[in-house]
Amino acid sequence: AQKITQTQPGMFVQEKEAVTLDCTYDTSDPSYGLFWYKQPSSGEMIFLIYQGSYDQQNATEGRYSLNFQKARKSANLVISASQLGDSAMYFCAMREGKRSYTGTASKLTFGTGTRLQVTL
Amino acid sequence: KAGVTQTPRYLIKTRGQQVTLSCSPISGHRSVSWYQQTPGQGLQFLFEYFSETQRNKGNFPGRFSGRQFSNSRSEMNVSTLELGDSALYLCASSTPQKVQGFFSGANVLTFGAGSRLTVL
Repeated sequence: AQKITQTQPGMFVQEKEAVTLDCTYDTSDPSYGLFWYKQPSSGEMIFLIYQGSYDQQNATEGRYSLNFQKARKSANLVISASQLGDSAMYFCAMREGKRSYTGTASKLTFGTGTRLQVTL
Repeated sequence: KAGVTQTPRYLIKTRGQQVTLSCSPISGHRSVSWYQQTPGQGLQFLFEYFSETQRNKGNFPGRFSGRQFSNSRSEMNVSTLELGDSALYLCASSTPQKVQGFFSGANVLTFGAGSRLTVL
């Protein structure tokens, strides 16, 4: 069974500093996808970044980058130059590995999340 | 471009009642999935729909059901409400792409703001 572990319940970072949010995963399937989502207090989940298990390079999206270490089964999110608006819950998620003829690959397994607080 | 719209945003029900939640996906998105978020269990996959057909289902009792209409709008229903059904129900839509006959694992879900259900 798939499992996502986020060991940091809460993190503090000063504005303009970089922060790393940890995520480890467990799967026996060689094909999988890893996602990071941000959830502000409004409740909406906002997609940040995606990494496929066969991607050769680490994913980057603006100030977000994913430190993908396949052998360690880790997919840490790095936020550079933190902003006050980055304060939110951050969830790591994994896509069910098996390709499906019928499923649309919409089933994600989420971690418990990390609450990030950006301070002045 | 309008995002994923969920209605109602907030609702209060009593035990034994039933509830119907609605989700309008992003225009052109044909896949809709539903998730339940609670403080105790975190984010859990409920089910996904594509072309009016349920393609995948999570580990929830039969009291939880859903459907998708021809315009891709989706509804989920919870019958005989229990206190433990109090949660944020999130809907997500996507445009899954087929690659070599399979749905691509890089399918990015766009979430709505959720419907917060309180069962008294």
